[in-house]
Amino acid sequence: QQPVQSPQAVILREGEDAVINCSSSKALYSVHWYRQKHGEAPVFLMILLKGGEQKGHEKISASFNEKKQQSSLYLTASQLSYSGTYFCGTEWNTGNQFYFGTGTSLTVIP
Amino acid sequence: KAGVTQTPRYLIKTRGQQVTLSCSPISGHRSVSWYQQTPGQGLQFLFEYFSETQRNKGNFPGRFSGRQFSNSRSEMNVSTLELGDSALYLCASSLAPAGGSYEQYFGPGTRLTVT
Repeated sequence: QQPVQSPQAVILREGEDAVINCSSSKALYSVHWYRQKHGEAPVFLMILLKGGEQKGHEKISASFNEKKQQSSLYLTASQLSYSGTYFCGTEWNTGNQFYFGTGTSLTVIP
Repeated sequence: KAGVTQTPRYLIKTRGQQVTLSCSPISGHRSVSWYQQTPGQGLQFLFEYFSETQRNKGNFPGRFSGRQFSNSRSEMNVSTLELGDSALYLCASSLAPAGGSYEQYFGPGTRLTVT
């Protein structure tokens, strides 16, 4: 039920790019992305809906591949403020099921 | 607009006791979801309430229960506490049922320690 995220952890230098993947065992209707900084609550980043377009703002964007039942989060030219744990949340096509993945820890170092 | 509030923020209980956690959603939000967060386990879904009805329940034992009141405030109860119940319990509110086009807003969480 829980989507699988990869990688589990990644360390980047400022300015480098990263991709976080989120895979589901069932057909998806929506994918949500959140970021949680240490000691804080998760904060919403973006939502992608089935049949919708790729989303993004500034240097963080995401795609949704319905055929592969997965979504990818792209962080370009990373900044120190990007550090945190990223969670995807997925809703199946059948509805009524929304689960978060196990998270990807991202650390950006100077 | 006030955010999601959770009380208490910290709690220490003994094995075998029971505990009740409270969550007040953002005004106008009718959906409240509860999650258990432990290191390495991500956000484990407990249950979701929408308009006072339990919409979904995660894979947790019956010791975990919840309810939602007419003002959308929600409580979760854990009976017969076990050491493994030690975790951060987060609640999240949204305008509509979790998923779809509506994002969730998380509260600061309640840190439960069972000794």
